[in-house]
Amino acid sequence: AQTVTQSQPEMSVQEAETVTLSCTYDTSENNYYLFWYKQPPSRQMILVIRQEAYKQQNATENRFSVNFQKAAKSFSLKISDSQLGDTAMYFCAFVISGGYQKVTFGIGTKLQVIP
Amino acid sequence: DAGVIQSPRHEVTEMGQEVTLRCKPISGHNSLFWYRQTMMRGLELLIYFNNNVPIDDSGMPEDRFSAKMPNASFSTLKIQPSEPRDSAVYFCASFLAGAYNEQFFGPGTRLTVL
Repeated sequence: AQTVTQSQPEMSVQEAETVTLSCTYDTSENNYYLFWYKQPPSRQMILVIRQEAYKQQNATENRFSVNFQKAAKSFSLKISDSQLGDTAMYFCAFVISGGYQKVTFGIGTKLQVIP
Repeated sequence: DAGVIQSPRHEVTEMGQEVTLRCKPISGHNSLFWYRQTMMRGLELLIYFNNNVPIDDSGMPEDRFSAKMPNASFSTLKIQPSEPRDSAVYFCASFLAGAYNEQFFGPGTRLTVL
């Protein structure tokens, strides 16, 4: 069975600063995808960034980037130039390629951006 | 595309009543998922369908919960009878295999059972 662990229940960061959210996972599979989802107070789940396990290059989306360490099974999210709108719950998620694409989510990290 | 549509957005009911939550996935998506989110347990997968067929319902907490997907564009999650501990936000998500493997979530239904 796959597991996803987010060890930081809550974090805070000053506006315009950089913050890194941690995520580790456990799997015996070799082909999979990793995601970070954002859930603001509106409750809507929004995809922030995705990473294919077969790609060595770390994914980036504007101010969001990941540090994907496949051997260590680590997938951290870095938010640069934090903005007030980044205040949200952030969920790390994992899905095996192929099959029925059952996604495993971490328990989430609550991020507060402080003005 | 309108995205995943869920109704109602909010539901308040009394213990013992039947509750039906509805979901319309994104057109063309072939997998659908029902999740429950609470403060205590986080995001839990209840059941998922592939091509309208239930694949894994091991997350359904009790027999009081049932889900159907009569066609590719509609699914329901029913709780009968409802209990206060069922109070949560229920999300529906749809997915198209091969398309980046991303799940698209609906806005959720906040259920309160008094």
